[in-house]
Amino acid sequence: DVKVTQSSRYLVKRTGEKVFLECVQDMDHENMFWYRQDPGLGLRLIYFSYDVKMKEKGDIPEGYSVSREKKERFSLILESASTNQTSMYLCASTTGGPYNEQFFGPGTRLTVL
Amino acid sequence: AQSVTQLDSQVPVFEEAPVELRCNYSSSVSVYLFWYVQYPNQGLQLLLKYLSGSTLVESINGFEAEFNKSQTSFHLRKPSVHISDTAEYFCAVMANAGKSTFGDGTTLTVKP
Repeated sequence: DVKVTQSSRYLVKRTGEKVFLECVQDMDHENMFWYRQDPGLGLRLIYFSYDVKMKEKGDIPEGYSVSREKKERFSLILESASTNQTSMYLCASTTGGPYNEQFFGPGTRLTVL
Repeated sequence: AQSVTQLDSQVPVFEEAPVELRCNYSSSVSVYLFWYVQYPNQGLQLLLKYLSGSTLVESINGFEAEFNKSQTSFHLRKPSVHISDTAEYFCAVMANAGKSTFGDGTTLTVKP
């Protein structure tokens, strides 16, 4: 089975801190994604990556950056956390081709105080 | 660009009743359509997908969805729901390689 793991299930940080969220997939998938999930807003795409060292902005990239140094790992960085970044963060991966479903990690619930 | 509208944010039903979760989409190109399910405290997982061929697709746990191109819809149905079907359901469309657009989600609550 494809497995997508995220470094933390719950995280509490303070305003202004730099926050790293890590995601690792074990199926050699080319594409990786970071979403945030908020009640009533569904999933909104923050950043995605089609290959190592490649990244593209999603719909809501402001306040976030990403890093993909290795194929299996995709990191989301909050340079200076703010309270409006309190959310559930979901990582996903998929192999190449437009018809393959995404495989999701369990999510990280981030609270910024 | 594509968009997805899930017409109901909350759907409460009694156990063994039928249910329909509605999804409409818009896109200027051909799309692939998906339903994902998120059980409490879990990540999303694929429920079923439409890629091509028969417009009616089924999941292993009794859900089905029908692709209607003229109405740009992909509604999800189940003839008899169980308590264990309580979850949030997301409709998604994919036009570009790997990148999906998700609806806002529908919370299905099955009551005894």
